[in-house]
Amino acid sequence: EPEVTQTPSHQVTQMGQEVILRCVPISNHLYFYWYRQILGQKVEFLVSFYNNEISEKSEIFDDQFSVERPDGSNFTLKIRSTKLEDSAMYFCASRGRGQIPNSPLHFGNGTRLTVT
Amino acid sequence: AQSVTQLDSHVSVSEGTPVLLRCNYSSSYSPSLFWYVQHPNKGLQLLLKYTSAATLVKGINGFEAEFKKSETSFHLTKPSAHMSDAAEYFCVVSDITDSWGKLQFGAGTQVVVTP
Repeated sequence: EPEVTQTPSHQVTQMGQEVILRCVPISNHLYFYWYRQILGQKVEFLVSFYNNEISEKSEIFDDQFSVERPDGSNFTLKIRSTKLEDSAMYFCASRGRGQIPNSPLHFGNGTRLTVT
Repeated sequence: AQSVTQLDSHVSVSEGTPVLLRCNYSSSYSPSLFWYVQHPNKGLQLLLKYTSAATLVKGINGFEAEFKKSETSFHLTKPSAHMSDAAEYFCVVSDITDSWGKLQFGAGTQVVVTP
């Protein structure tokens, strides 16, 4: 069965550094998402992406964050200047053509980001 | 806006006994409801979904959930727990007000299965 793949599985970075989290969604999917889960807290929506542009973003997704689909297969999340509070598990997800909201999201295994 | 409440943060069961994970939702419209499972160091895997068809939904690994509109509940059950069911389980809601399919997650229920 096709999978969403995320790399790296664990990323450690120093405060103030830029970090890029990478995702390869399922190949025929059209809608792409990033979620995050801070340790001990709920899984939170960050951003959705469709037709090469952001379709919706949460309050968390400020100017420090950006997303890109540079080559039709990868989907990246960039944090320009990381803060300690950005430490979390970041999940990429994708969805196919089915009717929203009925069609489910397919999630990757996540990237654990640790900011020191 | 929609939301979900998972009533138990931790559930401990013995292998072979029934599992019940409780979830209540809030939605102004007909919701779509999902249960996802997260095993250690793994991603979020879809267990089952309710999308306004049959109210009793069967999922993978022997799990099922019943949508009860009058109680705004979507509890997850399994008749007989297996050691491999130890994981964190998330109840998730979405509805048509989320044009782009944003999901709202519950806080999660950690399931421990003892021999």
